[in-house]
Amino acid sequence: DTEVTQTPKHLVMGMTNKKSLKCEQHMGHRAMYWYKQKAKKPPELMFVYSYEKLSINESVPSRFSPECPNSSLLNLHLHALQPEDSALYLCASSQGLVQPEQYFGPGTRLTVT
Amino acid sequence: SQQGEEDPQALSIQEGENATMNCSYKTSINNLQWYRQNSGRGLVHLILIRSNEREKHSGRLRVTLDTSKKSSSLLITASRAADTASYFCADRGSTLGRLYFGRGTQLTVWP
Repeated sequence: DTEVTQTPKHLVMGMTNKKSLKCEQHMGHRAMYWYKQKAKKPPELMFVYSYEKLSINESVPSRFSPECPNSSLLNLHLHALQPEDSALYLCASSQGLVQPEQYFGPGTRLTVT
Repeated sequence: SQQGEEDPQALSIQEGENATMNCSYKTSINNLQWYRQNSGRGLVHLILIRSNEREKHSGRLRVTLDTSKKSSSLLITASRAADTASYFCADRGSTLGRLYFGRGTQLTVWP
């Protein structure tokens, strides 16, 4: 299995809602990533997990809360988001932090109303 | 900043023509990758060229690397309408786990 899956594909939430994005990979990769991407821009790194431990937090606001319950799963918990948080959220994985090739999921299109 | 610069920002060609995209960095290049992204979808890894390599091929893709100029180019030969997508270069830089993306080239191939 060489796929990274993400659910849901689309999410519309109000500013007072709490929701979660999910990401899963079964390639045995030990590094997982969350990116945020606005239209016509490159992905922006948010968080990096290595061996289920948070390795990089790119000064992301606390309304985004990542979680890595095991080596195959990565969650992003969302609470009290702002309309400017509307974007495509991409999950990726790699064999480890040393290996540069990252494998991306299809993304979750998030709209905050 | 370690962000890459790509040009052109947009490229429009006919099927069968070749497409060339360029990428440059201000800092030295470590492991330069190219990714493709179809509209609203995830990125697909195309090819990796390491700092000790000068040229690499994969099917219709040809990537070159000039470390002295800190630049790389991606050539897509005999383009097809299905090649229409955004193309991003990305270098790992000095921090493990972090990729520094270029701003992307939007390629449109007309049938």
